[in-house]
Amino acid sequence: ETGVTQSPTHLIKTRGQQVTLRCSSQSGHNTVSWYQQALGQGPQFIFQYYREEENGRGNFPPRFSGLQFPNYSSELNVNALELDDSALYLCASSPGTSLSYEQYFGPGTRLTVT
Amino acid sequence: AQSVAQPEDQVNVAEGNPLTVKCTYSVSGNPYLFWYVQYPNRGLQFLLKYITGDNLVKGSYGFEAEFNKSQTSFHLKKPSALVSDSALYFCAVRSLSGGYQKVTFGTGTKLQVIP
Repeated sequence: ETGVTQSPTHLIKTRGQQVTLRCSSQSGHNTVSWYQQALGQGPQFIFQYYREEENGRGNFPPRFSGLQFPNYSSELNVNALELDDSALYLCASSPGTSLSYEQYFGPGTRLTVT
Repeated sequence: AQSVAQPEDQVNVAEGNPLTVKCTYSVSGNPYLFWYVQYPNRGLQFLLKYITGDNLVKGSYGFEAEFNKSQTSFHLKKPSALVSDSALYFCAVRSLSGGYQKVTFGTGTKLQVIP
């Protein structure tokens, strides 16, 4: 069973640029969520995708967008990067959308915006 | 709006002693509650969850948690702490709002088990 993988591991971008982060869900999982974890903080829910449709979203502006592909992998896109976007971005997958499912997290992508 | 509070930034406990990491929550409707652990430079790992049924739920690595509806709490416990339990612990709640899912994590509690 393959776990959740994310790429790249680290990324450095300049303010105003755009970035794309990638996630492969665990085998058999069709639901993917993205989180932003700032240093010393808990993960903040960005959004969730199920069958290529967004079915959950936290308090993030529209410049945070996502995609889910037929193989259930996912991308997180962030436009017009700001310094406060510097954080660890976590992807998590689960076998469905039920609230009772626990989530399986990837190791994260560390984004630094300068 | 839903929320999760972890009132202690850090908990120190001697190896072999019982440990408690506190969590309180606020949510409309039935709470779906989770505990996750994060080791340095790694993603979160699921420990246990409360969905319905018995108020005491058991999870991985000997951890358990007690759901208390009247106090809106979901404290994490372990009868005998190990040094290897030292990590960052997060409480989380999931809910539906207008057909849309929301997930809220607490700010985390650093557990330090002293040999």
